[in-house]
Amino acid sequence: ETGVTQTPRHLVMGMTNKKSLKCEQHLGHNAMYWYKQSAKKPLELMFVYSLEERVENNSVPSRFSPECPNSSHLFLHLHTLQPEDSALYLCASSRDRGSSGANVLTFGAGSRLTVL
Amino acid sequence: SQQGEEDPQALSIQEGENATMNCSYKTSINNLQWYRQNSGRGLVHLILIRSNEREKHSGRLRVTLDTSKKSSSLLITASRAADTASYFCATWFSSGSARQLTFGSGTQLTVLP
Repeated sequence: ETGVTQTPRHLVMGMTNKKSLKCEQHLGHNAMYWYKQSAKKPLELMFVYSLEERVENNSVPSRFSPECPNSSHLFLHLHTLQPEDSALYLCASSRDRGSSGANVLTFGAGSRLTVL
Repeated sequence: SQQGEEDPQALSIQEGENATMNCSYKTSINNLQWYRQNSGRGLVHLILIRSNEREKHSGRLRVTLDTSKKSSSLLITASRAADTASYFCATWFSSGSARQLTFGSGTQLTVLP
């Protein structure tokens, strides 16, 4: 248990479905992240939230919609996805967004998404 | 383009042997981090080395950093089957006001019992 909990662990959805991924951290961190990990590709940063404010959106399609209601919870709402969106979606948190020496990321176990 | 790149992409060794993985990066850094990922799970932070450090140890892990060559290496000594995982280096990358921790493609390590 890392202190970052992701649910569900596995999700299968059709292209017309609407679903959400949830992330919760109990570490008192101020920054939260969504990463996408596809087979044979490096981790791709999707969204960054700092103190509940979205600070980065790395050109992610609008079919992915993040929500951060408070500093402990992060959601990724999914709508009208494509089969190529099938991947492992990882949530992470860090003390803040700085690149200082103490700022490392704590990851959840991931949500494995399959789009049919 | 990604900031870090690991080498080799895959490494298979016998239990008890040492495993060495390398990482090259492109821009100047404050620190470099190594993470481990078991299959289908999240990444776990292993060790961080600052730009003014040349070597750092943590248990069976030894990390080196050569800022002149923009490279780092991770050595796992006396490997165990449980060390089988993917290993990633990561650096903070800044572009304008944006700042993100970027990861390489990873080295898949297999330790055979």
